[in-house]
Amino acid sequence: AQKVTQAQTEISVVEKEDVTLDCVYETRDTTYYLFWYKQPPSGELVFLIRRNSFDEQNEISGRYSWNFQKSTSSFNFTITASQVVDSAVYFCALIRSGGSYIPTFGRGTSLIVHP
Amino acid sequence: IAGITQAPTSQILAAGRRMTLRCTQDMRHNAMYWYRQDLGLGLRLIHYSNTAGTTGKGEVPDGYSVSRANTDDFPLTLASAVPSQTSVYFCASSDSSEGTQYFGPGTRLTVL
Repeated sequence: AQKVTQAQTEISVVEKEDVTLDCVYETRDTTYYLFWYKQPPSGELVFLIRRNSFDEQNEISGRYSWNFQKSTSSFNFTITASQVVDSAVYFCALIRSGGSYIPTFGRGTSLIVHP
Repeated sequence: IAGITQAPTSQILAAGRRMTLRCTQDMRHNAMYWYRQDLGLGLRLIHYSNTAGTTGKGEVPDGYSVSRANTDDFPLTLASAVPSQTSVYFCASSDSSEGTQYFGPGTRLTVL
């Protein structure tokens, strides 16, 4: 069975602070994909990043960065110099490669960035 | 159409009524999914379809049915709505070889 844990239910920061959203996963598969999605207050779900299990390189996209560590089964998401527009619920997800692509989502972390 | 559309945007429904939520994608994705989102519970998978003509049950399938007659459409039916089905419903699609889910805008359903 697969499991994704986002232990932080809600995080509150002040603008320009750095913030890290944690994601810990469990799977018995050796090949899988990890994802982050953003759900702003408007409600739509937006894809942010996909990482496959063979690629542990960290990724940076502007103020966003992702740290994938298989040794700790973690795929953490860091926002540098947070902005009010970063306020959203962020979901981490896991999909096993092959077979039916049924995703497992974490329960989400609500990030509130205060001006 | 670009991406995934859902209809209606919102609906208030009397308990016991039948309701079909519509979902259409134009990306020719093989896989489609229905989720419900409730506060504190994240996204829970209701039903999915890996390809046209096949469907499967997710985490919370009771009270819901789906069909996948073609690649583009994946309607979700509540045969007899109950108040516990009050939720926001998201449809998603995925190119199964790649795995990324693309979501529709959601349907807010209230069952009274």
